[in-house]
Amino acid sequence: GQQVMQIPQYQHVQEGEDFTTYCNSSTTLSNIQWYKQRPGGHPVFLIQLVKSGEVKKQKRLTFQFGEAKKNSSLHITATQTTDVGTYFCAGLEYGNKLVFGAGTILRVKS
Amino acid sequence: DGGITQSPKYLFRKEGQNVTLSCEQNLNHDAMYWYRQDPGQGLRLIYYSQIVNDFQKGDIAEGYSVSREKKESFPLTVTSAQKNPTAFYLCASSTPDRTGGYGYTFGSGTRLTVV
Repeated sequence: GQQVMQIPQYQHVQEGEDFTTYCNSSTTLSNIQWYKQRPGGHPVFLIQLVKSGEVKKQKRLTFQFGEAKKNSSLHITATQTTDVGTYFCAGLEYGNKLVFGAGTILRVKS
Repeated sequence: DGGITQSPKYLFRKEGQNVTLSCEQNLNHDAMYWYRQDPGQGLRLIYYSQIVNDFQKGDIAEGYSVSREKKESFPLTVTSAQKNPTAFYLCASSTPDRTGGYGYTFGSGTRLTVV
C-alpha cells in the first residue's frame, strides 16, 4: 500500500535558523497536504499542493511539490519560538484516502 | 462557529471495559475519520466514513467499532478486544473532493488511559 516517509524525525534549531522537513511517497499523489500540531494540541491544516512543481508561500513558510508528484518539502525561514511543534505531511493517492507521514518534531532554542 | 467537538477530553478505562468516544461536527462534511496517535508518532487510521450509514476499516481497525447513523456524528467504541488502547484519539472530517478541495479539520482529541 501507499507509504509516506518523512525526514528528519526530530530537529532542534537555534531561533533565527532555517528549518526544512522532507516528505516522500512510494506512489504518485493527487495532492499533498501539510499540518502543524502544537505540543498538546491537535493537527491544524496549513496548506494543500495539487500541481506538479507547485510552490506556495505563507509568510516565512515555503511549501514545494515535486515534479513527479511523489515528494514535497516545507521550509521555514528564520525560525521563531512560535514555530515549535510537529509538522506532518499527508499524501492523497488518486481514488484513495489520505496517508500521513510520521511527522517532524521541531524545537526552537531562544 | 463550525467545527468538530470531541468528548470527553480525558477518559480512563478499566481493563475489560468498552468505552465510547464522541465526535460531532457541524461543518456539513460528508466524510469523517478516526485516527490514533501514540507518543512521538504519526497518525494511524482506525475507521473512516464517506457517507451516512457506511464506513470502512482503516489500517488498525481491530478492537474498535464505529457507527454513522447521522451525518454529524461518528462515535468510536474501543472494545475490550483492543489490547493496547492507551493513546490520543483524533476525529477529523473533510469534504469528499479527491482532486483537491479542503484539508481535514480535526477535533481537539480524547486522551484514553487504561488503568
